[in-house]
Amino acid sequence: GIQVEQSPPDLILQEGANSTLRCNFSDSVNNLQWFHQNPWGQLINLFYIPSGTKQNGRLSATTVATERYSLLYISSSQTTDSGVYFCAVRGGSSNTGKLIFGQGTTLQVKP
Amino acid sequence: DAGVIQSPRHEVTEMGQEVTLRCKPISGHNSLFWYRQTMMRGLELLIYFNNNVPIDDSGMPEDRFSAKMPNASFSTLKIQPSEPRDSAVYFCASSQGNTIYFGEGSWLTVV
Repeated sequence: GIQVEQSPPDLILQEGANSTLRCNFSDSVNNLQWFHQNPWGQLINLFYIPSGTKQNGRLSATTVATERYSLLYISSSQTTDSGVYFCAVRGGSSNTGKLIFGQGTTLQVKP
Repeated sequence: DAGVIQSPRHEVTEMGQEVTLRCKPISGHNSLFWYRQTMMRGLELLIYFNNNVPIDDSGMPEDRFSAKMPNASFSTLKIQPSEPRDSAVYFCASSQGNTIYFGEGSWLTVV
C-alpha cells in the first residue's frame, strides 16, 4: 500500500518563527489532506490539497503531485499552533476510500 | 451541523468486558470511518463504510472487533472481549467527497 512519511518528527519553535513541514508519499494520490491535532486530541482539517497551493491565514500548503510531496507552511507561529500535524493521502482513482495517515510532526511553540 | 458525535468520550473497563463505541456521522455524509490512535502505531484505519456498506475491514485487528452501520446516521464499534492492548483513542470520521471530518474521539482504557 501507499506509504506516507512526514518530517521532521519533532519541531520546537519560538513564537513568531516560521516553519515548513514536509509530507512525502510513495505513489500517486487523488486526495491529500493536512490535519492539526490539538493538545486536547481534537483532529481539525486544515487543507484538502491533492495538488497546487492554498492559503488560509498564517497557514499555507503546496502539493507537487508529480514529485510526490506536500509542504505545510506556518508563518508567525503562535503557541496555539502547538500540537501534531498529520498528512493523510488516498491513492487510486476512486473518490471514496481510506485515507492513510503519516506519523505526524509534533510542533511545540514556546512563548 | 453538530459535527461527528461520538460516545462515550471516556471509558474505563476491565479486561474481558464488552465495549461498545457509538458514532453519529454528519448528516448527508455517505462515508464513515473508524480509526484507532496509539502512541506506538499512530492513526490506523480499522474499517470504513460507504452508503452503510462495509468496504474495507482489513484494519480490524482480530475477531474481537466488529463494526456495524445499521443506517446512515449511526455506527457502532464493538470489542468483545476487551484486552489491555485495546487501550487507545478511537475516532469516528465521516465524509461526503473529499474532506473528512473527525469526531472528538472515545478514550478507552482497559485495565
